Amino acid sequence: DTGVSQDPRHKITKRGQNVTFRCDPISEHNRLYWYRQTLGQGPEFLTYFQNEAQLEKSRLLSDRFSAERPKGSFSTLEIQRTEQGDSAMYLCASGDHYEQYFGPGTRLTVT
Amino acid sequence: QKEVEQNSGPLSVPEGAIASLNCTYSDRGSQSFFWYRQYSGKSPELIMSIYSNGDKEDGRFTAQLNKASQYVSLLIRDSQPSDSATYLCAVRSNAGNMLTFGGGTRLMVKP
Repeated sequence: DTGVSQDPRHKITKRGQNVTFRCDPISEHNRLYWYRQTLGQGPEFLTYFQNEAQLEKSRLLSDRFSAERPKGSFSTLEIQRTEQGDSAMYLCASGDHYEQYFGPGTRLTVT
Repeated sequence: QKEVEQNSGPLSVPEGAIASLNCTYSDRGSQSFFWYRQYSGKSPELIMSIYSNGDKEDGRFTAQLNKASQYVSLLIRDSQPSDSATYLCAVRSNAGNMLTFGGGTRLMVKP
């Protein structure tokens, strides 16, 4: 078990561009979560999947954000028409019913 | 009022001392409580989970939960410089699967 992996680890993009991040969870976990963390703050929940079903979405998740988990394995998070306020660390976590384990994160910088 | 509150610190303790980190939460329906450690530039790492009132010990770490007072704490015995990090308190309610995080407490252990 290699833990949760995320790709890319860093992304620099210009305002208005679209970006997509990938998360590969721990293989035996059917629950997958996306969070966003800005400097000096704790992570904020974005969305949650159980298998391929997206069961919860935060009010923070504007219509520019979309997440998928086809086949209940890896997940992607897409941000359309990026804004400077989207600059943050995007964290993926996977888990069982009780605990959540984070991947290394994708640091997004919007210039 | 934030849902999960932590003193941002920094909390400075000498090497070998006990570090005491505190967290309060507002949702009385909260059932699961977690402590994560986050080194600068890295993602959060789960170090303790606690689900029932009382103490839970794991090595040098002890988590304490008091649901009546809506209070959870983390004690680190024999603090080491390598314990210097931000400690995040996270809470999950019965209403959903998301974690709500506090802003974290920065701990500095001085040799």
